[in-house]
Amino acid sequence: AQSVTQLGSHVSVSEGALVLLRCNYSSSVPPYLFWYVQYPNQGLQLLLKYTTGATLVKGINGFEAEFKKSETSFHLTKPSAHMSDAAEYFCAVSGNFNKFYFGSGTKLNVKP
Amino acid sequence: GAGVSQSPRYKVAKRGQDVALRCDPISGHVSLFWYQQALGQGPEFLTYFQNEAQLDKSGLPSDRFFAERPEGSVSTLKIQRTQQEDSAVYLCASSSSGVSSGANVLTFGAGSRLTVL
Repeated sequence: AQSVTQLGSHVSVSEGALVLLRCNYSSSVPPYLFWYVQYPNQGLQLLLKYTTGATLVKGINGFEAEFKKSETSFHLTKPSAHMSDAAEYFCAVSGNFNKFYFGSGTKLNVKP
Repeated sequence: GAGVSQSPRYKVAKRGQDVALRCDPISGHVSLFWYQQALGQGPEFLTYFQNEAQLDKSGLPSDRFFAERPEGSVSTLKIQRTQQEDSAVYLCASSSSGVSSGANVLTFGAGSRLTVL
């Protein structure tokens, strides 16, 4: 079975500050891990994914995430926040059969 | 098409009415998923199709929910005798690969927001 926990339903940062969104997962099989972003009234858009290989994954818009098996974590980071990063972010885990399990989401607010 | 298209974008139904939500996936995509996203929550899996075959419907919350994909392309999610707890955004997603790979990328539509009064 798979599940995802996102710590912090709301995160607020200043423009230019570091963004850190936390995700911990549980999986009975080697996990595939994803981060999606959702802007208001839009569908989810893939930011990045981890399947195998390099544990530091780079995605779009300057985001990256690191898979840490020992910590069962896949935290999302961005060195410098931009106003356009304000959105809701979802971490997801997938096992063998394409069934994705999503966290409850973290809303990122970026202050000018 | 270029993306996953869902219609209607917004639907208001009176309790007890039947509703049908349509999903037009990316052309040629084998896999199609339906998710339910309640307010303030992440998407929750409803059902999955590979071509026209419904391989997993374990997430459908009750027998009032029914999904089909008769020709392996367009899919319809039908909710009979709607209840207030059915109010949510219903997301459709498609993928180019089949069930054997959990690493597939899902492309999501913008969703259909259902409000049951």
